[in-house]
Amino acid sequence: AQSVTQLDSHVSVSEGTPVLLRCNYSSSYSPSLFWYVQHPNKGLQLLLKYTSAATLVKGINGFEAEFKKSETSFHLTKPSAHMSDAAEYFCVVREKAAGNKLTFGGGTRVLVKP
Amino acid sequence: DAGITQSPRYKITETGRQVTLMCHQTWSHSYMFWYRQDLGHGLRLIYYSAAADITDKGEVPDGYVVSRSKTENFPLTLESATRSQTSVYFCASSYSGADQETQYFGPGTRLLVL
Repeated sequence: AQSVTQLDSHVSVSEGTPVLLRCNYSSSYSPSLFWYVQHPNKGLQLLLKYTSAATLVKGINGFEAEFKKSETSFHLTKPSAHMSDAAEYFCVVREKAAGNKLTFGGGTRVLVKP
Repeated sequence: DAGITQSPRYKITETGRQVTLMCHQTWSHSYMFWYRQDLGHGLRLIYYSAAADITDKGEVPDGYVVSRSKTENFPLTLESATRSQTSVYFCASSYSGADQETQYFGPGTRLLVL
């Protein structure tokens, strides 16, 4: 069975400083991994995805994530936070054996201070 | 291009009443999904559908009913609403082809059961 753990429920950063959101996963098979962002009162938007190609994945809005199989991690980073990055972020795993079903982490809420 | 829409966006109902949440997508995606979002739980899959007239249970299906008579619509019905079904409900859809892993989310329906 697949599962996802987001290690921080809240992260607070200052504008212009790096952002790190941590995610660990558990999967029996080769997983696909995603990061989605949810701005207040909005739906979820795909930031980036890993599907067994390059382990360093670049997404929209300057975000990137690195797949580390040995550490079962898929941490999301951004070199310089912007006020518009304030949102909730979800790490998501999909196992090929699970068809199209996704398993979501509990979410990390990011606060950006001016 | 409307994409994926949900209606109503906000709903207040009473315990025991039947409620139907609508989801409509204009992309002719084969797969459609219903999730609920509760604090601390991320998103949990209620039901999904691989095609018209094909539906299957997700992680938390109890108390919900779905149907899919047309590819573009995937209504979710709470047959007898309970307070524990107060939540934000998201509909999503995805292709069945090469990019089937990416799910596209609607804006959500906030449901309050009194």
